[in-house]
Amino acid sequence: NAGVTQTPKFQVLKTGQSMTLQCAQDMNHEYMSWYRQDPGMGLRLIHYSVGAGITDQGEVPNGYNVSRSTTEDFPLRLLSAAPSQTSVYFCASRSTTDTQYFGPGTRLTVL
Amino acid sequence: LAKTTQPISMDSYEGQEVNITCSHNNIATNDYITWYQQFPSQGPRFIIQGYKTKVTNEVASLFIPADRKSSTLSLPRVSLSDTAVYYCLVGALNTGGFKTIFGAGTRLFVKA
Repeated sequence: NAGVTQTPKFQVLKTGQSMTLQCAQDMNHEYMSWYRQDPGMGLRLIHYSVGAGITDQGEVPNGYNVSRSTTEDFPLRLLSAAPSQTSVYFCASRSTTDTQYFGPGTRLTVL
Repeated sequence: LAKTTQPISMDSYEGQEVNITCSHNNIATNDYITWYQQFPSQGPRFIIQGYKTKVTNEVASLFIPADRKSSTLSLPRVSLSDTAVYYCLVGALNTGGFKTIFGAGTRLFVKA
């Protein structure tokens, strides 16, 4: 199993650009989520999904969209990048009885 | 949402036992307590999880008193590679872990 994979590892955007962060898991987990982590801070939940076709907002959803068309994939879309979205983004997945498994992260810089 | 409070940082020496205590005064009846470890530039990694009393695995022990308003992560004989940030979270398992909050965590620095 590859676990949770994220692409790209690094990305630099200009203000106003859009992009999609990819996340995939091969553990057949129902639950998937996106977090952002700012320097010296804990993780904050952006969006989450409890199954294919079902998504909901977390703590800091503004400026981000998600969709869950398959169990395996949970992409995060930045609609119009802003410098405040400069952060490290982590995707995670879990089953109902297991703990969360995190991906390696995507380091995003918005200029 | 259950909020947790942990020390911001701790120092230790190699070979010592390290205990990190987490307060969670408003823990709910169906909440579990989970600890994660995070190294720089990596995602958090699960260490241990428990509901009450004591849980032990190959890397740590978790002590939870009867009132469950706090918990203590115990790392036996730490090494330099245990230098990391440790997060305590509380939440119900059947919510996918989403009803939990990652605080700033405890930065553990292990010295030689």
